Amino acid sequence: NAGVTQTPKFRILKIGQSMTLQCTQDMNHNYMYWYRQDPGMGLKLIYYSVGAGITDKGEVPNGYNVSRSTTEDFPLRLELAAPSQTSVYFCASSSVTQYFGPGTRLTVL
Amino acid sequence: GQQLNQSPQSMFIQEGEDVSMNCTSSSIFNTWLWYKQDPGEGPVLLIALYKAGELTSNGRLTAQFGITRKDSFLNISASIPSDVGIYFCAGPTTSGTYKYIFGTGTRLKVLA
Repeated sequence: NAGVTQTPKFRILKIGQSMTLQCTQDMNHNYMYWYRQDPGMGLKLIYYSVGAGITDKGEVPNGYNVSRSTTEDFPLRLELAAPSQTSVYFCASSSVTQYFGPGTRLTVL
Repeated sequence: GQQLNQSPQSMFIQEGEDVSMNCTSSSIFNTWLWYKQDPGEGPVLLIALYKAGELTSNGRLTAQFGITRKDSFLNISASIPSDVGIYFCAGPTTSGTYKYIFGTGTRLKVLA
């Protein structure tokens, strides 16, 4: 049972580049989330989904997009990377309580 | 909006000491969650609390759901070096039962 998996683990982007952070869960959870964690800070909710085909914005959605075509997958898309998006990104899924992936460390230069 | 404030922000303690930290909010919560984040890893759930006054243990960890429903406490007894990390409280927002906000974290360092 893998739980929540995220790829890649590390990535460096140039300003203006695009990328997709992948997230997959094998627990059949309806709820999935994307958070960002800036150095020394707590987690901020970017987007969340309550089921396939349904997504909604969290606290800090600007500069990001998501889709949820299946229960298992919840990719996060950065269209035009900016230095302010340098952060660690965590995906999570839940039925009642949340389970987190190991994170993707993104640097935008 | 809702906020969770954690205290202390950071602490250094000697191995074997007991640790106490708390989480407070200006709003009422129906659930309190405590997570630990090891360096370079994602948060891992330690304890979940669902009822005011509830006291729940997980090994050397004990957490309490405050009776006002605006606070929660986490205690670690007889700390060991592997307790180092960041401890977060979290709770569901008023706008969605499964949409959570997180506290700012308490950074714990244990001196052997």
